[in-house]
Amino acid sequence: GDSVTQMEGPVTLSEEAFLTINCTYTATGYPSLFWYVQYPGEGLQLLLKATKADDKGSNKGFEATYRKETTSFHLEKGSVQVSDSAVYFCALSDRGGSGGSNYKLTFGKGTLLTVNP
Amino acid sequence: DTAVSQTPKYLVTQMGNDKSIKCEQNLGHDTMYWYKQDSKKFLKIMFSYNNKELIINETVPNRFSPKSPDKAHLNLHINSLELGDSAVYFCASSPMSSGNTIYFGEGSWLTVV
Repeated sequence: GDSVTQMEGPVTLSEEAFLTINCTYTATGYPSLFWYVQYPGEGLQLLLKATKADDKGSNKGFEATYRKETTSFHLEKGSVQVSDSAVYFCALSDRGGSGGSNYKLTFGKGTLLTVNP
Repeated sequence: DTAVSQTPKYLVTQMGNDKSIKCEQNLGHDTMYWYKQDSKKFLKIMFSYNNKELIINETVPNRFSPKSPDKAHLNLHINSLELGDSAVYFCASSPMSSGNTIYFGEGSWLTVV
């Protein structure tokens, strides 16, 4: 079945440091890939996505590139801020259910990022 | 306007009780979901509905019964609550097409005591 593996946290950085959170996946088809973010006490928000190989998703200074050859979708940001402190989830979207008529998200276990001033 | 809204946001209840969480989406999407997030933050799909029809049921105990009165609503009813049901439950919706984003509600924090 589908699975997503992302680096174990927690990750603690100083403000303006470079961030990389690794994510690799296994899937039978050609999934779409996502990063979601969960701020403390809040729900899940889409951060960025990529729907095919070599696509780059970007938002709020975060970027991730869909690498089919290495089955990876690593999240990067050049200069993190205190407000980026959150849990980050890598996910893939593939068909699920009998007959494969609905898409479902399979999530990684999440990576807690703490950014200190 | 909130796109995917669920109520209540917080719920504390005793073991053995029956409770419901309601969800509504105003995005016009055909597909709705329930996800469960456990104490370790792990997220797993529970159910998926498409136009009121159950499509995905991921080996969830039958104490959990989703109900979709129309394609904009997907409620989750839980019978005989157990301590292990304590979690955050997220409702979500998406359009029925390839690679489209799944939009989540703000979550319902359920604590069973």
